[in-house]
Amino acid sequence: SAVISQKPSRDICQRGTSLTIQCQVDSQVTMMFWYRQQPGQSLTLIATANQGSEATYESGFVIDKFPISRPNLTFSTLTVSNMSPEDSSIYLCSVDAGSSGANVLTFGAGSRLTVL
Amino acid sequence: AQSVAQPEDQVNVAEGNPLTVKCTYSVSGNPYLFWYVQYPNRGLQFLLKYITGDNLVKGSYGFEAEFNKSQTSFHLKKPSALVSDSALYFCAVRDRRNTGFQKLVFGTGTRLLVSP
Repeated sequence: SAVISQKPSRDICQRGTSLTIQCQVDSQVTMMFWYRQQPGQSLTLIATANQGSEATYESGFVIDKFPISRPNLTFSTLTVSNMSPEDSSIYLCSVDAGSSGANVLTFGAGSRLTVL
Repeated sequence: AQSVAQPEDQVNVAEGNPLTVKCTYSVSGNPYLFWYVQYPNRGLQFLLKYITGDNLVKGSYGFEAEFNKSQTSFHLKKPSALVSDSALYFCAVRDRRNTGFQKLVFGTGTRLLVSP
């Protein structure tokens, strides 16, 4: 299955600033998914990033707050804009595991953001 | 609407004893069901899935899960727990009628602690 590298692995950020998370996959994939994992809560899909088109956002998430880039089939970025303490979460990049079987996701290690 | 319930925030078990991590689900149609595991500072890893066929599904690291349609459950089990099994476990469900990962719903996770 695909191997995903995410960075930064963790960061401490000041309120009002923005941070961009990078996700690199070792193979070409059509769709990449960005999830948020808040403390004590389930994973929530933020958006689906498709190469060559705008990302598709889930209910409750907007492009102004979470702009996404997908410049090619192996890379995507998620920016968390104008951060507040409520944005403190683990952000996970994932892709279709492909050869591991349908409907299975492969995840990156995550980026743990703490907003002060 | 789809939903997943993991009723236990934490499960404690002694090494060598059998373990069960509970999951119940709700979908309108027939489900696809998944278990993922998250070790500290790592992304989620796929453990096993139920798509169709045999209700008892065997997965990685000696884990298995049984699909029980009448009880709408998909409990994760292992006959003999290891200390290294200590991690956060997520159950996930998708209605078969819904295509795409966008419709995959995760539970809130259960922390498994295996004591020596």
